[in-house]
Amino acid sequence: SQQGEEDPQALSIQEGENATMNCSYKTSINNLQWYRQNSGRGLVHLILIRSNEREKHSGRLRVTLDTSKKSSSLLITASRAADTASYFCAPGDDKIIFGKGTRLHILP
Amino acid sequence: EAGVAQSPRYKIIEKRQSVAFWCNPISGHATLYWYQQILGQGPKLLIQFQNNGVVDDSQLPKDRFSAERLKGVDSTLKIQPAKLEDSAVYLCASSLLGRGAFFGQGTRLTVV
Repeated sequence: SQQGEEDPQALSIQEGENATMNCSYKTSINNLQWYRQNSGRGLVHLILIRSNEREKHSGRLRVTLDTSKKSSSLLITASRAADTASYFCAPGDDKIIFGKGTRLHILP
Repeated sequence: EAGVAQSPRYKIIEKRQSVAFWCNPISGHATLYWYQQILGQGPKLLIQFQNNGVVDDSQLPKDRFSAERLKGVDSTLKIQPAKLEDSAVYLCASSLLGRGAFFGQGTRLTVV
């Protein structure tokens, strides 16, 4: 497995807006995971997308995977204060390696 | 379903002392991970077990850190002797192989 690189490093948006963060990686993968970490609930698995999937939804989350570009994006729609957190991608199969993450701040 | 249990939640020790952390994974999860997270950084994988065998410990400072997973269930992570730079949150996680991991609340270690 390998470390993903999240972009941007930090993002501030108004409550109700959509938030998009990206992840790039270097070598081919079978799946990619996204995690969220905040002070209240700790580190939580959000979604896993497999290499044969292009898009996956979970509630207000939409994840895309472009294996040709070796990139993934996480879209959070209609953001809420509770979405304030750090978001990490973990590309790869048998290990979960984290990068620096994207720090998302939802402004009231 | 019970989550990943870790103890203690907080620990303060003096440098050169030893400390141990305990983790009880979710029942049936063969894969167990230990991470070190320094403030402001992403979690760093220290060691990964598959059942009671080590899959990867390449980032574990083996001169002072050790970990074991008895009978493929509970795990302990030990630091001896501790250094100031070991101050961090130590996270334990478990998963089914190739699936998303469930994390414990972590142990916050302060070395003074």
